[in-house]
Amino acid sequence: NAGVTQTPKFRVLKTGQSMTLLCAQDMNHEYMYWYRQDPGMGLRLIHYSVGEGTTAKGEVPDGYNVSRLKKQNFLLGLESAAPSQTSVYFCASTVGPTYNEQFFGPGTRLTVL
Amino acid sequence: GNSVTQMEGPVTLSEEAFLTINCTYTATGYPSLFWYVQYPGEGLQLLLKATKADDKGSNKGFEATYRKETTSFHLEKGSVQVSDSAVYFCALRGINYQLIWGAGTKLIIKP
Repeated sequence: NAGVTQTPKFRVLKTGQSMTLLCAQDMNHEYMYWYRQDPGMGLRLIHYSVGEGTTAKGEVPDGYNVSRLKKQNFLLGLESAAPSQTSVYFCASTVGPTYNEQFFGPGTRLTVL
Repeated sequence: GNSVTQMEGPVTLSEEAFLTINCTYTATGYPSLFWYVQYPGEGLQLLLKATKADDKGSNKGFEATYRKETTSFHLEKGSVQVSDSAVYFCALRGINYQLIWGAGTKLIIKP
């Protein structure tokens, strides 16, 4: 039981390049989330999904797109990376909205030059 | 709107010292409150929770009491260890079930 996994662990992009971050969970969770973590700012929600085929915007969605084609996977895309998107990205999942615990992946450290 | 405020870090203590990390919140109603911990190089994991006023959450020697009169959920531990060095996040679950996070407090324990 791997829990929540994220690919890749590290990535360096040049401004304007695109990339996709992959999150996978093997716990059959309905809800999945993408956060970014910046120094002194805690976690901020980018997008989330309440089930396969559904996505919704979070607090800071601009510059990102997401897809949830399969229940176990949640993809985060950057179409044209900007230095302001340099951050650590975390994926999380949970059973449902009233469940108390979110399970987090190990994070992806992204640097945009 | 909902918000969470934590004491700024880093907090540096010697082993076996008493720990308090302050957390206060602003919210409508009585949201569930959480402490998550992030060990170096890892994702966050739930440390403890409280779902209603006066509840005390506890785990691994850490405790926090949900105090509605002071809108606080301070994290405490009687005797810290080097292995407790990590970043601690306070969070509340908002009206749309999303978690609202504090900025995190880095804890450094010296032997």
